[in-house]
Amino acid sequence: EVRLVQSGAEVKKPGNSLKISCQISGYNFANNWIGWVRQVPGKGLEWMGIIYPGDSDTRYGRSFQGQVTIAADKSINTIYLQWNTLRASDTAVYYCARSGRYFEIDHWGQGTLVTVSP
Amino acid sequence: SHELTQPPSVSVSPGQTARITCSGDVLPKRLTFWYLQKSGQAPVLVISEDNKRPSGIPERFSGSSSGTMATLTVTGAQVDDEGDYYCFSTDSSHKGVFGGGTKLTVL
Repeated sequence: EVRLVQSGAEVKKPGNSLKISCQISGYNFANNWIGWVRQVPGKGLEWMGIIYPGDSDTRYGRSFQGQVTIAADKSINTIYLQWNTLRASDTAVYYCARSGRYFEIDHWGQGTLVTVSP
Repeated sequence: SHELTQPPSVSVSPGQTARITCSGDVLPKRLTFWYLQKSGQAPVLVISEDNKRPSGIPERFSGSSSGTMATLTVTGAQVDDEGDYYCFSTDSSHKGVFGGGTKLTVL
């Protein structure tokens, strides 16, 4: 069974850094693209980017290039989403999302709520 | 640019047919996928590869694609089908994009 288990909710202040995680089990981690989807409260889904853990090849959505970093640690089957400087506008639920054969999303994590507030 | 456009809302009575459209210039060359998100939950794939139903998805869900438009059809919509529907596609670099979402109301 494929499982994507995300780290817990975070409350941060503007200017803080943050790294959230998603631990994967149930399939060959290194050989499947996996990434992140953002959902601002009350808004739609936004594709942020994906990484291929086997060689760390990474693709970012246009709105997220340079704003976040997606990384993978093959030794513990985990991917990360990292911010160096959080803004209030980063407040959202972030879903870990595995890509399928056609780069559609075929498995989702449970979501991590990130709240950025003074 | 790679954008997908959906109507913000669709409303039908129970038992009627709901149709949700998704338009985009890339759709003639790319596959379309449809997701249903119910309140507070992660999305669920209801249509794959333009018109395939994943295991466990009821037969009343179907999909089609022609030219720059893809359509999700719910034949005999039920109250349990309410939620936000998103179309999804990718570009040639495997970067994904979601449509803006359509809120389906069945009442």
